[in-house]
Amino acid sequence: DSGVTQTPKHLITATGQRVTLRCSPRSGDLSVYWYQQSLDQGLQFLIQYYNGEERAKGNILERFSAQQFPDLHSELNLSSLELGDSALYFCASSPGLAGSSSYEQYFGPGTRLTVT
Amino acid sequence: AQTVTQSQPEMSVQEAETVTLSCTYDTSESDYYLFWYKQPPSRQMILVIRQEAYKQQNATENRFSVNFQKAAKSFSLKISDSQLGDAAMYFCAYRRENNNDMRFGAGTRLTVKP
Repeated sequence: DSGVTQTPKHLITATGQRVTLRCSPRSGDLSVYWYQQSLDQGLQFLIQYYNGEERAKGNILERFSAQQFPDLHSELNLSSLELGDSALYFCASSPGLAGSSSYEQYFGPGTRLTVT
Repeated sequence: AQTVTQSQPEMSVQEAETVTLSCTYDTSESDYYLFWYKQPPSRQMILVIRQEAYKQQNATENRFSVNFQKAAKSFSLKISDSQLGDAAMYFCAYRRENNNDMRFGAGTRLTVKP
């Protein structure tokens, strides 16, 4: 158990809908990262937040957005869903910002999103 | 742009034998970090081992060790005394110094035969 929690575990929704994925980082971790893993693919970095502020953006679609709250949990919002958005969405956390240490990222169990 | 290549989509090893998974990466940076993650059927991403580029000594974690060749931009993972529980997808990942996102390879699916 990495200490990172994600809810829900599974989500099934229809095209055009909007969903919110939730992540709670490990106790004490200030950075939260979101990744997307499509079927049998590697992970694609979406976005990172550090202590409530956006710090880095990857291949995140404009239909997707995220935020980190004062209690450090984070939410990833996916709107106008398409079939191609079906994937496993991972949240990861680390203590601080990159560069200050070789902080590895600790991953949550993921949320499996199925768009029908 | 940094890219990570895992040229072996699938590998197979006999239980108790040794297997090596390959990873190469492309970067112009001198300071960076490399990781191997394991993803079993549960889909949980589990950190196996990490290597700092500034360290010449290869990292070792119990039965897992790496062969880090900085000049060749190669970072292979050796699993000794393979166990059935080692069966999983293995992902190589790269992160450069002062950068927040990790780049992952496409993964290698390891099968362990009893």
